[in-house]
Amino acid sequence: GNSVTQMEGPVTLSEEAFLTINCTYTATGYPSLFWYVQYPGEGLQLLLKATKADDKGSNKGFEATYRKETTSFHLEKGSVQVSDSAVYFCALSGGAGGTSYGKLTFGQGTILTVHP
Amino acid sequence: KAGVTQTPRYLIKTRGQQVTLSCSPISGHRSVSWYQQTPGQGLQFLFEYFSETQRNKGNFPGRFSGRQFSNSRSEMNVSTLELGDSALYLCASSLGVAGQETQYFGPGTRLLVL
Repeated sequence: GNSVTQMEGPVTLSEEAFLTINCTYTATGYPSLFWYVQYPGEGLQLLLKATKADDKGSNKGFEATYRKETTSFHLEKGSVQVSDSAVYFCALSGGAGGTSYGKLTFGQGTILTVHP
Repeated sequence: KAGVTQTPRYLIKTRGQQVTLSCSPISGHRSVSWYQQTPGQGLQFLFEYFSETQRNKGNFPGRFSGRQFSNSRSEMNVSTLELGDSALYLCASSLGVAGQETQYFGPGTRLLVL
């Protein structure tokens, strides 16, 4: 079945540092890939997505490129802010026909803390 | 456009009781998915409903059930609660016409089982 593996956390950075959170996946077919962010006490917010190979998703300075050859969707940001402190989840959907309806498969999440 | 809403936001129950959680999707969305989030297991898919029919199901025991109404609102029920059911329960909505659409999440219902 489908699976998503994220880099081990937590990640601690200083403000304005460069961020990379690695995400690799296993899936049949051609899944869509997502990054969601969760702030304390809240639900998940969509950060960005990509639906086919070589697509680049971007939002709020975050970027991720769908790499089918390496089955990866790494999240990057050039200069993090304290307000980026949150838990980040990589997820995939689809790629398995009818069994994919409404189902996201998530990585384990990466806690990011940014210090001033 | 209003987002996904979930009620109640917090619940405390005791073992053996049952609980019903509610989710109202974004207007126009016909698919509602439910997830359980725990520190140990992370985010796990429970089931998905579209047009009042369960279309997909995760690997949870039969104590977990759901339904969807004609206005696309959905409820999730857990019977005979166990301590391990303590979790954040999230619902998400999407248009539902394709298998890989973006899902939009509600704030969740935090359930504590004592």
